[in-house]
Amino acid sequence: DSGVTQTPKHLITATGQRVTLRCSPRSGDLSVYWYQQSLDQGLQFLIQYYNGEERAKGNILERFSAQQFPDLHSELNLSSLELGDSALYFCASSDSTSGGAVSYTGELFFGEGSRLTVL
Amino acid sequence: LAKTTQPISMDSYEGQEVNITCSHNNIATNDYITWYQQFPSQGPRFIIQGYKTKVTNEVASLFIPADRKSSTLSLPRVSLSDTAVYYCLVGPPNQAAGNKLTFGGGTRVLVKP
Repeated sequence: DSGVTQTPKHLITATGQRVTLRCSPRSGDLSVYWYQQSLDQGLQFLIQYYNGEERAKGNILERFSAQQFPDLHSELNLSSLELGDSALYFCASSDSTSGGAVSYTGELFFGEGSRLTVL
Repeated sequence: LAKTTQPISMDSYEGQEVNITCSHNNIATNDYITWYQQFPSQGPRFIIQGYKTKVTNEVASLFIPADRKSSTLSLPRVSLSDTAVYYCLVGPPNQAAGNKLTFGGGTRVLVKP
């Protein structure tokens, strides 16, 4: 168990709809990454947040948006869904904070993913 | 961030050693090299990380030459359960500045009986 929780685990919806994926990072982790993995493809970097602020953006579609809340959980919003958006969406966390000090190793801790199926 | 290149796939047999090389020609001075393992429909998980020379843990070894432009993950005596996709990732340890931590295509390792 990585300590990263993603919900829902599975989601089936129709084209044109909007969904929200949720990620709870490891306790105290400041950084959250979102990745998209289509069938038999590699991991595509979407976006990174650090302590509530967007810090890096990949090839994330304009129909997609994300945010990180003060309690450090993050949500990925996917709208106007298309068939091609069907994929596994992973979040990962890193850079832990404890007692005001930040420790980092560069290791990413991944959740088990949210599988989105668009019909 | 440094782009990585790995072989697409490798086949091996149980009990053999598997070596996967990753090229990262434009690695930065403060970048570390981290390898992840991913099983189907699961999130990647950390295997090993290094900066230079050799690192060994209970599951793998990581060899990094002096110029750091490549690295080799070594899996000793693989078993069927080592069948997975292996990714190398190059980037700084601190994520505060913002990093497009981009995974390459990974190497699909198939271990045969």
